[in-house]
Amino acid sequence: EAGVAQSPRYKIIEKRQSVAFWCNPISGHATLYWYQQILGQGPKLLIQFQNNGVVDDSQLPKDRFSAERLKGVDSTLKIQPAKLEDSAVYLCASSGGPVGSGNTIYFGEGSWLTVV
Amino acid sequence: AQSVTQPDIHITVSEGASLELRCNYSYGATPYLFWYVQSPGQGLQLLLKYFSGDTLVQGIKGFEAEFKRSQSSFNLRKPSVHWSDAAEYFCAVGGTSYGKLTFGQGTILTVHP
Repeated sequence: EAGVAQSPRYKIIEKRQSVAFWCNPISGHATLYWYQQILGQGPKLLIQFQNNGVVDDSQLPKDRFSAERLKGVDSTLKIQPAKLEDSAVYLCASSGGPVGSGNTIYFGEGSWLTVV
Repeated sequence: AQSVTQPDIHITVSEGASLELRCNYSYGATPYLFWYVQSPGQGLQLLLKYFSGDTLVQGIKGFEAEFKRSQSSFNLRKPSVHWSDAAEYFCAVGGTSYGKLTFGQGTILTVHP
């Protein structure tokens, strides 16, 4: 079974530029997550989709971050304009359903962003 | 609000020694608890999870964890550490029906030969 796919793996941009990350979840997984992991910290949830609807985006900086999941499969996370503090690993994850129903969250390898 | 505390930022053990990584959580109801491992440059891999039932949970790579409700803890253990276990370990708690996971800050494990 293929895992969660993410691209690009690495990106270096200048501040105020824009960047987009793509995620393809495990086939059939209805729930998709984007986490931000800053060096030395645990992952922090940015946004959670159930199919193509947003379940939780309370920690997404909406003035600069946006995410979409068209057709309930792939997802794109965009940052515009980027700030230095956005340097982090952006982890996409998916699960077959809610964790509360016994589902496991599977993570991709992450997209590493450096803002200079 | 749910939260996780991993009191140890960095632990060093000798190969073959036993290991215990601490995790304390805060959650108002019965939590779902997880341990993930992250090797440098890699994503998170699930080691084990607790949903209900037996409080001693077995995972992959010889790891186990024990859920202690009275202490709000979910410590990870391994009887004999291998050099390949060197990585960063994250404890996470979830409990809402839609499965938001909250992670601790992680514990870096160094293994000496």
